[in-house]
Amino acid sequence: QVQLQESGPGLVKPSETLSLTCTVSDDSISTYYWSWIRQPPGKSLEWIGHISSSGSTNYNPSLKSRVTISLDTSRNRFSLKLSSATAADTAVYYCARDTKITIFGVVTPYYYYALDVWGQGTTVTVSS
Amino acid sequence: DIQMTQSPSSLSASVGDRVTLTCRASQSIGSNLNWYQQKPGKAPTLLIYSASSLQSGVPPRFSGSGVGTDFTLTISSLQPGDFATYYCQQSYSTPRTFGQGTKLEIK
Repeated sequence: QVQLQESGPGLVKPSETLSLTCTVSDDSISTYYWSWIRQPPGKSLEWIGHISSSGSTNYNPSLKSRVTISLDTSRNRFSLKLSSATAADTAVYYCARDTKITIFGVVTPYYYYALDVWGQGTTVTVSS
Repeated sequence: DIQMTQSPSSLSASVGDRVTLTCRASQSIGSNLNWYQQKPGKAPTLLIYSASSLQSGVPPRFSGSGVGTDFTLTISSLQPGDFATYYCQQSYSTPRTFGQGTKLEIK
């Protein structure tokens, strides 16, 4: 069973860059999409973006100007950088595997995506 | 962005009850709808994908239905471990978006 583990500083100063890494326990990093999601205290989940196994990225437009997600297949990990951090970026940050699921129809297959494996989450506080 | 709206925001129920949670998308998303369960202090876990497919290891008392813009998650007989917050999420397009959650509490 694949496992994901987030790591990085729990405290970031305002205006600095928030940096997190997600380590994947097996070599499946070369096969799937890999996502970052965050959850501010007491609030719902916000998708930050994802990266494919080939390195192509897709970001939430609300964060796009500040976000970079990168992949390190040699170390089985992917990373998140969020620049110009503010108190509004205080949240639990999760990494997750975004799996493509194939359902075979009568004529053609259908493809769906779901976040089927999650890290335990890491709390990041932005404060001076 | 596609907006996901869940109702109710919270629900009180008893062990053994049948409950239905609702999720509505701001535009048609076909069957590209997932349901997650989150317990306090824990990461969400996938329950249902493609609107009605049960994730491996999830008890069959959980079921999902719907297509287009309206979706439901039904728990046929609530167990003590089911009291949690449930989120729907669309995977039709990016950015992926989540509902605000339904908190299921013990009556």
